[in-house]
Amino acid sequence: GAGVSQSPSNKVTEKGKDVELRCDPISGHTALYWYRQSLGQGLEFLIYFQGNSAPDKSGLPSDRFSAERTGGSVSTLTIQRTQQEDSAVYLCASSHGETNQPQHFGDGTRLSIL
Amino acid sequence: KNEVEQSPQNLTAQEGEFITINCSYSVGISALHWLQQHPGGGIVSLFMLSSGKKKHGRLIATINIQEKHSSLHITASHPRDSAVYICAVKMSGGGADGLTFGKGTHLIIQP
Repeated sequence: GAGVSQSPSNKVTEKGKDVELRCDPISGHTALYWYRQSLGQGLEFLIYFQGNSAPDKSGLPSDRFSAERTGGSVSTLTIQRTQQEDSAVYLCASSHGETNQPQHFGDGTRLSIL
Repeated sequence: KNEVEQSPQNLTAQEGEFITINCSYSVGISALHWLQQHPGGGIVSLFMLSSGKKKHGRLIATINIQEKHSSLHITASHPRDSAVYICAVKMSGGGADGLTFGKGTHLIIQP
C-alpha cells in the first residue's frame, strides 16, 4: 500500500497477557518510529529504528516493552505481562533517511487492557 | 514544565475567521513539525520547519529560532479544518531521536 500500515487496528486483552503490534512502513523508508498516545498524556516517543538497528530506545517505559525490525521493513512492538496503564493508541511512523524528515503516520493500534 | 507548550488548548471560531495557534519550546531543536489529527485518530504531517516560513494552501507556518516560538495560521477557516493541531520538535544536541510533542490545540470551526 501507499501508506504506513498497522495491525491490528484494535486489540482487547486481559491484564498479564503478552501482545504484539505490527507496523509495515512505506516502502523505501529507512527510519521507523513507535509512539504512544494515552488519554491525558498526549503523544510520547517510544523507540526509533534506522534500518534494522535501534539506536534510540530511550522512550520505552519499562523492560516489558521491546521492539524489533527485520529486513529493514516490518517492525513489531511487543508488550509482555500487560498492565492496565498500557492501554493507549500505539502509533507507528516512517520517514526517508535520517531523523530530520517529515514523518508519515499509520492509523495506530488501539490497545485496551481489561 | 513541558518542553513544548501550545496555546490555546481549545479554540472555537466561526467559518471564515483567521486562526492562529502558538507553540513555544524550551530546548534546542533541529526541526519543528506541525501535525493535524482528525477525530478517529489519523495523524497527518502539515509542515516541517527549521527556519523562516512555509505556506501550503490556506495554511502558513512560521518559526523564530531565537525566540523559540512557532505559529500555525489558517486563513479563511472552514469546518473541515476542525481537528487537533499538534506541535512537535526534534531536539538537537543528543536529545531523543523521536519527536517531543505539545499537548495539542483542539480547534472547532463552526459554520
